[in-house]
Amino acid sequence: EPEVTQTPSHQVTQMGQEVILRCVPISNHLYFYWYRQILGQKVEFLVSFYNNEISEKSEIFDDQFSVERPDGSNFTLKIRSTKLEDSAMYFCASSSTPGTSGGDYSYEQYFGPGTRLTVT
Amino acid sequence: KNEVEQSPQNLTAQEGEFITINCSYSVGISALHWLQQHPGGGIVSLFMLSSGKKKHGRLIATINIQEKHSSLHITASHPRDSAVYICAVSRLSDNTDKLIFGTGTRLQVFP
Repeated sequence: EPEVTQTPSHQVTQMGQEVILRCVPISNHLYFYWYRQILGQKVEFLVSFYNNEISEKSEIFDDQFSVERPDGSNFTLKIRSTKLEDSAMYFCASSSTPGTSGGDYSYEQYFGPGTRLTVT
Repeated sequence: KNEVEQSPQNLTAQEGEFITINCSYSVGISALHWLQQHPGGGIVSLFMLSSGKKKHGRLIATINIQEKHSSLHITASHPRDSAVYICAVSRLSDNTDKLIFGTGTRLQVFP
């Protein structure tokens, strides 16, 4: 069964360093997401990506964050200068069709296993 | 105020018991999702609902759109069902299908 993969599973970095979290979505999926979960808190939306551009981003997704799909298979989240509060589990997800705008239905999202980012 | 509320926050059960987890939401939705988060952190999609009821094995999910309420039921619970169960919604007002998550219900099933 196809699955979303993420690497690394755990990343430890020092404050101020850049990190790149990598995801390989399911191959025929078109819509991609990053979410994060700070320890003990609920999962939060960061950004959605379709057709090689950001379709929506949250207030959390400030100038320190960027996403790209460099080669048609990988989907990356870069944090330019990490802060202690960036420590969290980061989840990538993908779905098979574009999100609908006020449509009657939406599409199942498939989640990767997550990358645990620890900023020291 | 959270747009997605779950209850209870924590639930313990004996093996074999029937379990119900509730989710209420305050916005118009295009779909409601039930997800399972394992102790290691991974998230698995269990159901996506926009109306009615769905069943998969021992799991049943129902939704009442008028009341903005959904329930997840587990019949004949087993220790391997121990996990965090999360309700999430896609809002009609959003341009994308991004998910808005509840805080989760931690379920522990004892033998």
